[in-house]
Amino acid sequence: SAVISQKPSRDICQRGTSLTIQCQVDSQVTMMFWYRQQPGQSLTLIATANQGSEATYESGFVIDKFPISRPNLTFSTLTVSNMSPEDSSIYLCSVGYSNQPQHFGDGTRLSIL
Amino acid sequence: SQQGEEDPQALSIQEGENATMNCSYKTSINNLQWYRQNSGRGLVHLILIRSNEREKHSGRLRVTLDTSKKSSSLLITASRAADTASYFCATDAGGTSYGKLTFGQGTILTVHP
Repeated sequence: SAVISQKPSRDICQRGTSLTIQCQVDSQVTMMFWYRQQPGQSLTLIATANQGSEATYESGFVIDKFPISRPNLTFSTLTVSNMSPEDSSIYLCSVGYSNQPQHFGDGTRLSIL
Repeated sequence: SQQGEEDPQALSIQEGENATMNCSYKTSINNLQWYRQNSGRGLVHLILIRSNEREKHSGRLRVTLDTSKKSSSLLITASRAADTASYFCATDAGGTSYGKLTFGQGTILTVHP
């Protein structure tokens, strides 16, 4: 299975600022995904990051708020822009294969003051 | 919105007892996956069961899938204190949505020594 490294593991940020989260995979993968887990809640898909094309966002998530880059087949970033306390969550990246287990990074725990 | 529901929301048992968690979903699926999450950390993949499978085992874990009822169950036998965690089911609809997981609300399992 792929090994996924996510940075930073946690951060405390001031409202109005932006933070970029990095996700590195130890092998080339086509599909990478970004999820959000709000406090005490389950996971919700933010977007799908495909190499060489624009990310595809789920309902309720927009590119201006969560810009995503996918420069190659092993790396992706998610930026949380103009943060507010409501953005305090765990953000996780994952890699997926057709009909195979999907594996997750350890997540980035983000707190906004 | 979450596709699935899990019950119970919380389960408290003694070490050595069995724990059963149920998951229901709404649309047709390609596969269903179960995950464990310890204290808000990253997700650990447990088992993937495909839509044409009815039962899978892995160590002390047993997963069943009933596509006619759109439901799945996870059984942990001879539970241990280390099994204390949140457990999530996630469905993959496949097709053009392959890899996009829709998560249930999760079950918080507490195993008392």
